[in-house]
Amino acid sequence: DGGITQSPKYLFRKEGQNVTLSCEQNLNHDAMYWYRQDPGQGLRLIYYSQIVNDFQKGDIAEGYSVSREKKESFPLTVTSAQKNPTAFYLCASRSKSSSPYGYTFGSGTRLTVV
Amino acid sequence: GENVEQHPSTLSVQEGDSAVIKCTYSDSASNYFPWYKQELGKRPQLIIDIRSNVGEKKDQRIAVTLNKTAKHFSLHITETQPEDSAVYFCAAGRGGAGSYQLTFGKGTKLSVIP
Repeated sequence: DGGITQSPKYLFRKEGQNVTLSCEQNLNHDAMYWYRQDPGQGLRLIYYSQIVNDFQKGDIAEGYSVSREKKESFPLTVTSAQKNPTAFYLCASRSKSSSPYGYTFGSGTRLTVV
Repeated sequence: GENVEQHPSTLSVQEGDSAVIKCTYSDSASNYFPWYKQELGKRPQLIIDIRSNVGEKKDQRIAVTLNKTAKHFSLHITETQPEDSAVYFCAAGRGGAGSYQLTFGKGTKLSVIP
């Protein structure tokens, strides 16, 4: 699936529950990113990681957490502190050394609060 | 940080006509400008990109122009076809290979009317 796999495709969260979105890539890419997509808002950066065991907050990190224990994996946890988590979540990866510098996106996870 | 403005938010054209989408960016250090196409329910896919040392780039019916002085860049689609209907995102990126991220515009929904 383009070398970067997100799962699940659809996810339902109850109030007060933490959920984790999976992102796995086999492209040997160094950098990985999480974006949130809302209608009319474009893509907003949640967290990104340039290297294993290191990550930085993006523009809308509150209520989210990540880890980068392996180069291939960058899971995103949506915590109960995120008050409006219903959105489409996209993971992306990029090689730091190759051209073009563009991202490769996963197919996304649609999260809905029930 | 970088701010990317994209216009228009929606665009309808007759099949065979041209479509133009414009973006402006704020950070003069940005040096990479990709365009992504996102069909309904699918992942964004890179369609064309341009580096800051180039003023124009073409790929069949698609072209991108960049004006560094004015800090704006545009996507041009000629001879539009119904399959061009999608949401298009511009982005601006900066940094070297070691630390790099893209800031996206809010998207343009293009509808090509047969």
